[in-house]
Amino acid sequence: EAQVTQNPRYLITVTGKKLTVTCSQNMNHEYMSWYRQDPGLGLRQIYYSMNVEVTDKGDVPEGYKVSRKEKRNFPLILESPSPNQTSLYFCASSFAGGGGRGSPLHFGNGTRLTVT
Amino acid sequence: KNQVEQSPQSLIILEGKNCTLQCNYTVSPFSNLRWYKQDTGRGPVSLTIMTFSENTKSNGRYTATLDADTKQSSLHITASQLSDSASYICVVSQNYGGSQGNLIFGKGTKLSVKP
Repeated sequence: EAQVTQNPRYLITVTGKKLTVTCSQNMNHEYMSWYRQDPGLGLRQIYYSMNVEVTDKGDVPEGYKVSRKEKRNFPLILESPSPNQTSLYFCASSFAGGGGRGSPLHFGNGTRLTVT
Repeated sequence: KNQVEQSPQSLIILEGKNCTLQCNYTVSPFSNLRWYKQDTGRGPVSLTIMTFSENTKSNGRYTATLDADTKQSSLHITASQLSDSASYICVVSQNYGGSQGNLIFGKGTKLSVKP
């Protein structure tokens, strides 16, 4: 089954403790991206990747890191989480550039992160 | 400034009724417009994608329209069902040429369908 898999689904951590949220897709998509979703703000892009070893900042990259060593995986890293990073996070993937050529984004089911 | 505005913010309708959600955008240059459905606690799922030359597109009981001149789109849901209760997100792609594009997200309309 074609899907984007995020892990974990729920995560509670403390300020400053490094964490990684994994994202994997099995559709051979070139494009992958991370979003956070907060009440009243909608989805905001954190980072995206056009292909292996190619990553770029989205609208809200501060406090986050990503890597794209393999085509299928795009982990999101919080080196020193803070309470303002408490949010619902989504990973997504698509063919082409995510916006160009009308290729739809496929989203994972989200990771709800709480930083205390 | 590139923006996507959706209205209403929330909507309650009775099962079986029709409804229309609105999306106005100020994105340039325009590539395509998408509608996504997001169930509570789940990731968004693509409903339709429309390019500049398409002014209507259907996906079952969902019909999206696009007026590129007025920069408006609507999503019409026919004969609503309880399972239509979700947030509906309008997304506009900005055309950078080639295969790349920047996506601008609306904040969504939360639809509740009551029995």
